[in-house]
Amino acid sequence: NAGVMQNPRHLVRRRGQEARLRCSPMKGHSHVYWYRQLPEEGLKFMVYLQKENIIDESGMPKERFSAEFPKEGPSILRIQQVVRGDSAAYFCASSRGRSGANVLTFGAGSRLTVL
Amino acid sequence: QQQVKQSPQSLIVQKGGISIINCAYENTAFDYFPWYQQFPGKGPALLIAIRPDVSEKKEGRFTISFNKSAKQFSLHIMDSQPGDSATYFCAARYRDDMRFGAGTRLTVKP
Repeated sequence: NAGVMQNPRHLVRRRGQEARLRCSPMKGHSHVYWYRQLPEEGLKFMVYLQKENIIDESGMPKERFSAEFPKEGPSILRIQQVVRGDSAAYFCASSRGRSGANVLTFGAGSRLTVL
Repeated sequence: QQQVKQSPQSLIVQKGGISIINCAYENTAFDYFPWYQQFPGKGPALLIAIRPDVSEKKEGRFTISFNKSAKQFSLHIMDSQPGDSATYFCAARYRDDMRFGAGTRLTVKP
């Protein structure tokens, strides 16, 4: 059981470039959440997805950010035309489903640095 | 809109002391209150959790106290150890909506 796998662990981009962050949930988990953690700040919810569906994207900036969780393959958080303010750690978490006291299992995060 | 407020922002405790971190929530629909522990360079990991029908839960040196009427809950770390030095996040969940506090950076001095 490899847990939640995120890659890349570290990503450096110049302003205006695109960043793609990948997340493979734990085996058996079909729900994926993306959070952003700015330095010295807490975890800010961005988006919640199930396979092929975006359930809640209320925390995602309206522009430049998008997320998907295709039927096959990892969930991807895409940031277009990155700016310095996008520099942060992006964490993916997965859970089994809605029922019961579902535990969020986090990946180790992807740290984006925008030069 | 911050639905979970956490304090203090940082905390320094001597080895063997008690660490106390507090959280308050607004949404009475929250039905699950976990605490996560995060070491530098790592993702948060579930530490302990409580449901609102229980006033206290203890696991080893870690205890959650829950006050439903005040909409507050706290984490107590007894006999704090240097290895407990980490950032702690409280959270509150309703269905799929998990909201986190801003985090408390705990430093336990030897």
